[in-house]
Amino acid sequence: DTAVSQTPKYLVTQMGNDKSIKCEQNLGHDTMYWYKQDSKKFLKIMFSYNNKELIINETVPNRFSPKSPDKAHLNLHINSLELGDSAVYFCASSGFGVGRVHGYTFGSGTRLTVV
Amino acid sequence: GQQVMQIPQYQHVQEGEDFTTYCNSSTTLSNIQWYKQRPGGHPVFLIQLVKSGEVKKQKRLTFQFGEAKKNSSLHITATQTTDVGTYFCAGPYGGATNKLIFGTGTLLAVQP
Repeated sequence: DTAVSQTPKYLVTQMGNDKSIKCEQNLGHDTMYWYKQDSKKFLKIMFSYNNKELIINETVPNRFSPKSPDKAHLNLHINSLELGDSAVYFCASSGFGVGRVHGYTFGSGTRLTVV
Repeated sequence: GQQVMQIPQYQHVQEGEDFTTYCNSSTTLSNIQWYKQRPGGHPVFLIQLVKSGEVKKQKRLTFQFGEAKKNSSLHITATQTTDVGTYFCAGPYGGATNKLIFGTGTLLAVQP
């Protein structure tokens, strides 16, 4: 009954490969996000989807392509992986409504290592 | 662009000592959130503050939102080893409530 689940937890791959990370939330939230956490622990937003619609697209190389087939899923596909892509990628979700607190619920993260 | 800085970057305390981390935004925030990330874990939402000058408590944790809504603090009384982790503040960017900019984080180490 995990709220936000990501797969895989670990991903080791060679430069130039293409890989995907999957995320699913069962909280009924409307909005999902991808964040990147680098080795210095900085958390930086990459993308956000609200009800399957892309609403935030930060300055991210176009090798990164998010896809949201429905509001419970947000996947991240990365083409032509580079060494600098090595990081922990977190999926998160949030819900809105009258009286709700807008805290994000994060997945457990995917540690991507490009060699 | 909007920046959210936290100090200190790192603090090492003896168990039982108090700890405070400070969060400063370059712009006024509609609200501020705090998260805790244990080593090897993911950020976990702790609390949200909305009103100017607001103070909220969760057991040994006290959260404060500045009068100008540009700064915040988290104070932990009598730290325990379970408090170890990185504490992040986060605020909405550009007035959009669904885009959080996270602070630089403060890593707390507690020595038993």
